[in-house]
This record gives sequence, C-alpha cells and structure tokens, in this order.
Amino acid sequence: QSVLTQPPSVSAAPGQRVTISCSGSSSNIGVQGVSWYQQLPGTPPKLLIYETNKRPSGIPDRFSGSKSGTSATLGITGLQTGDEADYYCGTWDTRLNTIIFGGGTKLTVL
Amino acid sequence: QVQLQGSGPGLVGPSETLSLTCAVSGYSINIAYCWGWIRQPPGGGLEWIGSSCYDGPIFYNPSLKSRLTMSVDTSQNQFSLDLRSVTAADTAVYYCARTSRGLGSYTDYWDQGTLVTVSS
Repeated sequence: QSVLTQPPSVSAAPGQRVTISCSGSSSNIGVQGVSWYQQLPGTPPKLLIYETNKRPSGIPDRFSGSKSGTSATLGITGLQTGDEADYYCGTWDTRLNTIIFGGGTKLTVL
Repeated sequence: QVQLQGSGPGLVGPSETLSLTCAVSGYSINIAYCWGWIRQPPGGGLEWIGSSCYDGPIFYNPSLKSRLTMSVDTSQNQFSLDLRSVTAADTAVYYCARTSRGLGSYTDYWDQGTLVTVSS
C-alpha cells in the first residue's frame, strides 16, 4: 500500500482534459515538491513535472502540475492517444526519510 | 547528455546476493545529485531502494536497509548495489537513476532497467 494515493485509472476522449490526483500528508506533499512521471509499456519512467509545477526541457505545456495542502494534481490537456500510459507521483517523506511514489494511475484515451 | 547503464545477472538464486552496477557517462557523479536505485515488480509500482549523494550521505529504504549495501566508485564514475538474502519478492526490474538532492527528490535520468528474477 503506497504512502501516496492515486486513482487506479482515469479515462477521457482525445482532445479533452484530464486530471490525476495524488494525496499525501503533512510529512511529504505538504512540505516537499512533487514530481510526476509517465511510463509507457516496456520503458522506464519519464520525468514530466518536478518541483510541483516545473517542466523539464522538451515536455510540452499540455502537461501541468499543481499542489494544494497535502494533495497534488497532474493536468493533461489536448489528450492524444500517445498519452496512454501509467502515471506516477513522487516526493520525499520527511518522517520516513524515503523517496515515496504513488501506486500509479493508468490513463486510457478513449 | 547524461546516460546511465545498469548491468548485472538476470537470474539470482533464493537466499543469494543480487549485485548490480550502474555506469554513468556525460556527468561526474561527484559533482552533484544523488545516484541510486528504484525497482518495479512485474505489473507493479515503483519502489525506491536507496541513493548515494555526491556529498557523501547514503540513504536507504528502511524496509530494505538490513539487506542492502550501496557503494560509489568515483574513479570509474559508477555506483553499485548489493541486496542480500533475496527472495521471490525481490523479483523486479531494477532501474539505476539520478535524483535531485532535496527539492522533493525528483528523478530525472533513468537507465533502461535490468530485469532480475529470483528463482532456483
């Protein structure tokens, strides 16, 4: 059971917008930056968002991140079939002294 | 361009030691960042194993700490993992990765992963 809670799955139509939530606590999301990763089948995770709302070079602005209190959200606009993947949130937990990840959310583009 | 290349046996027997090495190119591991391991069991999620940071500290996942040793060889620009007394539960894809020091510890570079199966 993951310390960070994500919905197991979300779905939306091409061109639409979808959000993925990541719920944590005061010892992790509440006090640390959050990162988001996209994992396509058979490939390593790819960093999409770091420090809660920053995008690495090459990541389109269709991907965005935000945080409120102890929860974080990944937003994806203009959905494409190529966005079908598993998405993970991650951060540092100051009480456990570990890097923690959410259980992952499978995005289906209908 | 930062590149990581993990290597090690794909099959380890129960109760034996799993040993992996990660060679880094395009960046000196003693300049900045933390360098470590994350694993993913088949069909499962991500689990952080541990990280060794450029300025010395080594952080281990408490759930694995008693079986884990990580080391760094700055002369070869590589780092290693030893996980002792493995069981079938340790079967996973093992990624070596670069992680930020602080700032929520985001991971920006990953290798392609090494599938390690624990079986007799």
